[in-house]
Amino acid sequence: EAQVTQNPRYLITVTGKKLTVTCSQNMNHEYMSWYRQDPGLGLRQIYYSMNVEVTDKGDVPEGYKVSRKEKRNFPLILESPSPNQTSLYFCASSFLGGVKAEAFFGQGTRLTVV
Amino acid sequence: GDSVTQMEGPVTLSEEAFLTINCTYTATGYPSLFWYVQYPGEGLQLLLKATKADDKGSNKGFEATYRKETTSFHLEKGSVQVSDSAVYFCARSYGNNRLAFGKGNQVVVIP
Repeated sequence: EAQVTQNPRYLITVTGKKLTVTCSQNMNHEYMSWYRQDPGLGLRQIYYSMNVEVTDKGDVPEGYKVSRKEKRNFPLILESPSPNQTSLYFCASSFLGGVKAEAFFGQGTRLTVV
Repeated sequence: GDSVTQMEGPVTLSEEAFLTINCTYTATGYPSLFWYVQYPGEGLQLLLKATKADDKGSNKGFEATYRKETTSFHLEKGSVQVSDSAVYFCARSYGNNRLAFGKGNQVVVIP
């Protein structure tokens, strides 16, 4: 089954404790990205990657890091989480086939930073 | 910039009612336009799309027409069901595979 898998689904952590949210896709997509979803703000892109070892900042990259060492995986790293990073996070992937490519989303990770 | 505007506030309606959710976009370039749906506890999934002016996207009884003259992509369904209760996001493409999303509309269908 074609899917994007995020882990964990729920996470509660303390300020300053490094964490990683994993994302994996099995569709051989070149393009992967991370979004955060906040009430009243919709989805905002954090980082994206057009292929292995190619990453770029989205609209709200501060406080986040990513890596793309393999095509299927695109982990999101919070080196020193803060309460304003409490949010619902989504990973997405698609073919790099121009703007017609359909984005597939993971089920989301609800992160709470206390 | 490249942005998408959706009508404010949740939408509550009765089963079998007509649904319209308005969406307008900034007219930079020639974007593709999308509607995504998010059911409770799930990620977003593509509902329909249109890639050029006057195209009509349709799926599951939902329709939206790409109107370049009014920079709009309004979502419509003639007779909603309780199972259509979800959050609906309008989006436009820009740059390298990037998507700009509207803020979303919560739709609640009452039996």
